Amino acid sequence: KNEVEQSPQNLTAQEGEFITINCSYSVGISALHWLQQHPGGGIVSLFMLSSGKKKHGRLIATINIQEKHSSLHITASHPRDSAVYICAPQGLGGGGADGLTFGKGTHLIIQP
Amino acid sequence: NAGVTQTPKFQVLKTGQSMTLQCAQDMNHEYMSWYRQDPGMGLRLIHYSVGAGITDQGEVPNGYNVSRSTTEDFPLRLLSAAPSQTSVYFCASSAFVGAPTFGSGTRLTVV
Repeated sequence: KNEVEQSPQNLTAQEGEFITINCSYSVGISALHWLQQHPGGGIVSLFMLSSGKKKHGRLIATINIQEKHSSLHITASHPRDSAVYICAPQGLGGGGADGLTFGKGTHLIIQP
Repeated sequence: NAGVTQTPKFQVLKTGQSMTLQCAQDMNHEYMSWYRQDPGMGLRLIHYSVGAGITDQGEVPNGYNVSRSTTEDFPLRLLSAAPSQTSVYFCASSAFVGAPTFGSGTRLTVV
């Protein structure tokens, strides 16, 4: 089973700060997903990565397959970024829910 | 496009009652799954399906049944509700290679 560690578990920052959330996993993967969950809300997929880096607006996700590590960065953070961010590596078996392992999430609060 | 529709949003059950959580997707995804989310724990897989007529158990299947008679629908049945099944339940679907799309969740309380 893939062991997934996210850090930090909780993060409070001021508006405008650069945010980094880290994810480490223990076994080889085919891809890695970053998910966002607002308080009391549903879960939204932000990125699916298999190598390198992806950028969407103020969000950047990177992955180092050899190091088994991924990071999610938020530039110019805003209170609306306050949410739980979840890392989910996808097993080498490929697609589908059976191949996903979820981290426990990073609770991010951005204060105005 | 609706994506993944999950009903109901909230439900309170008495111990021993049964109920079905509905999940439907309109994206023609092969994969569908049910998760439960509890405080301090990551999402845990209950059951999943790789196509119509095919289901399998996940990490925490006890007390739950599923069926997949069509590509679109994947209901989750609680056979005899217990307080330990108090949780938030999410249905998700995905193509073979692709990001999962989640339903809006069902907050279930068993008293």
